[in-house]
Amino acid sequence: DQQVKQNSPSLSVQEGRISILNCDYTNSMFDYFLWYKKYPAEGPTFLISISSIKDKNEDGRFTVFLNKSAKHLSLHIVPSQPGDSAVYFCAARFAGNNRKLIWGLGTSLAVNP
Amino acid sequence: DTAVSQTPKYLVTQMGNDKSIKCEQNLGHDTMYWYKQDSKKFLKIMFSYNNKELIINETVPNRFSPKSPDKAHLNLHINSLELGDSAVYFCASSQDTLTGELFFGEGSRLTVL
Repeated sequence: DQQVKQNSPSLSVQEGRISILNCDYTNSMFDYFLWYKKYPAEGPTFLISISSIKDKNEDGRFTVFLNKSAKHLSLHIVPSQPGDSAVYFCAARFAGNNRKLIWGLGTSLAVNP
Repeated sequence: DTAVSQTPKYLVTQMGNDKSIKCEQNLGHDTMYWYKQDSKKFLKIMFSYNNKELIINETVPNRFSPKSPDKAHLNLHINSLELGDSAVYFCASSQDTLTGELFFGEGSRLTVL
C-alpha cells in the first residue's frame, strides 16, 4: 500500500507559466516532507522541504504548500523554465529514530519553450 | 570531485552470478543508504548504515549483503543474481540534520540476463 502518492505521472507546462505538482500521503506519523528532482541518468537531488508544523516554505522559484488536514502537499514552480524538465519525487519522513523516507512514484514535468 | 560516487555505473551479468556495487562519499556524512529503483520507477530503501552500524534493513532477500568498512563506504554484494534483481541501485548519504536531506550517487544500472 502506497503511503505517498503522486497521482499524475506526467505534466506539461509552457515556459513562464506555473507548474503545480501534487502529492498525497496517508500516514500521520510523517514529520517532514521533501521534494527531489531527478534528471535522466542521474541520482535525485534535493530541492525543498517542509516541516509538518508549517504550511508553506519558499525558496526562490519553488514553493511547497502543506495541507495537513487533507494530507496533501504541492510544489509550485513559477516561472517554469525548460531546465526544470525532470522527474519530481515527493518523499515523506517518519518521525522517530530511523527517520525512514517513503517515496512517491514521481511526476515527469516537461516545460515547453 | 563527485560527492557520492558509485561503481560500476552499468553492470550486465548472468543469472546465478555474484556481483558487487561500491559506493563512496566524501561529504563526511554519518549515514549511508542503498535504494533500489525498479522498472516501475518506485524508489525503495534497502539498507541504511549510521557510522558503520546497520540501522535500517528492509525486507530484502538475504542474497543482498551490505558491507560498510568505514563510514565513507557502503558496498552492496548480491549473491545468486535473479532476473528480478534488474534495477537501478542508488547509493545515498546524509548527515543527521533536521531535514534528513539525502545526497545521491548517479546510480548503478544492473541488468541480469
